[in-house]
Amino acid sequence: GENVEQHPSTLSVQEGDSAVIKCTYSDSASNYFPWYKQELGKRPQLIIDIRSNVGEKKDQRIAVTLNKTAKHFSLHITETQPEDSAVYFCAARKYNFNKFYFGSGTKLNVKP
Amino acid sequence: SQTIHQWPATLVQPVGSPLSLECTVEGTSNPNLYWYRQAAGRGLQLLFYSVGIGQISSEVPQNLSASRPQDRQFILSSKKLLLSDSGFYLCAWKRSGGPSQETQYFGPGTRLLVL
Repeated sequence: GENVEQHPSTLSVQEGDSAVIKCTYSDSASNYFPWYKQELGKRPQLIIDIRSNVGEKKDQRIAVTLNKTAKHFSLHITETQPEDSAVYFCAARKYNFNKFYFGSGTKLNVKP
Repeated sequence: SQTIHQWPATLVQPVGSPLSLECTVEGTSNPNLYWYRQAAGRGLQLLFYSVGIGQISSEVPQNLSASRPQDRQFILSSKKLLLSDSGFYLCAWKRSGGPSQETQYFGPGTRLLVL
């Protein structure tokens, strides 16, 4: 099956700096990669996703990049704000498969 | 629009007691449904998923079971709870279908404490 690894497990940045979270996957057939943000005590919320036919996707201060050859994808947050503090999860899924494989999560702390 | 509900929101149960958590989805038909557990400060562990009524796939052998008695209803059960069953239980849904129906959405969760 698929194995998704996520790094770092914790990340502390100063407000206004950029944050990068990286995930690798093992199954080259995976073709859908969502990112979720989970605030303390809340449900994970989808913040951005990317499909394997695209190398990069942006949504305001958030971007995701995908390198299919190396089998890794990354979340980039620019101009970080204290409200970006949360746990971020990456995931991978294969076309026509029902399971999502999640990374172990990254706790991001943005210091004001 | 689609909405996912879970109840109860919080639950405190003694060891050895039974459990029933419910999840319902509104505004869609024949969704894929999922149960995840999240231990405190940890990641998401997939417990069960279902692609249709009565169709359950189990991911982790343990004292939990799941059922899907109706198209948009997913139930997580246990006959005897263990201390290790404590955690945040999340139901999720995804549209069934082709490549455009890929995003998974989570419910508000049930926080279970077993004492």
